[in-house]
Amino acid sequence: DGGITQSPKYLFRKEGQNVTLSCEQNLNHDAMYWYRQDPGQGLRLIYYSQIVNDFQKGDIAEGYSVSREKKESFPLTVTSAQKNPTAFYLCASSPKTGTGPAFFGQGTRLTVV
Amino acid sequence: AQSVTQPDIHITVSEGASLELRCNYSYGATPYLFWYVQSPGQGLQLLLKYFSGDTLVQGIKGFEAEFKRSQSSFNLRKPSVHWSDAAEYFCAVGAVGGSYIPTFGRGTSLIVHP
Repeated sequence: DGGITQSPKYLFRKEGQNVTLSCEQNLNHDAMYWYRQDPGQGLRLIYYSQIVNDFQKGDIAEGYSVSREKKESFPLTVTSAQKNPTAFYLCASSPKTGTGPAFFGQGTRLTVV
Repeated sequence: AQSVTQPDIHITVSEGASLELRCNYSYGATPYLFWYVQSPGQGLQLLLKYFSGDTLVQGIKGFEAEFKRSQSSFNLRKPSVHWSDAAEYFCAVGAVGGSYIPTFGRGTSLIVHP
């Protein structure tokens, strides 16, 4: 079945460490997105990519980085510069950016200890 | 820039009762509108979307939503709620055309009593 796979489901990080969240899709979608979800705040866009080797900052990109070397993969790195990284991170995809996120992964819950 | 408001943080209904979740948006031109559902600890699932045409949109799981331009609203409805509908519901609004990215509301938590 086609879908989006995020791994790991739970992740613990020590302060000052970088950590990379994986997102893989087999839907042949051009567009991929990363969102951060905090309680009571809905979803906030971190980065999005419309095509391989291209990505754009979202509303809260500071302290995060991404790459899009393959169509299927859009990993997110949470760097030590992110001041409050504990959150639920969601990856999504759509055939193109003009149609809105169509499918979401199951999320990764990151906790800084 | 577009914005979206979901006025109700929590909604409680009895199983079998009808449901309406409110969504109001702010955008100067024709919007794209979406409703998503999220079960605890899970990703979001797209319920329905409005891009153009008929203002009454049918979605999955028996949900529908009506776009009312005069009221800047896109309320989600279901005639009879099931216990499995208990979840968080998010409305989102995007701009017509271009490589827009929709803005999400803060969500409404639906509680279903047996």
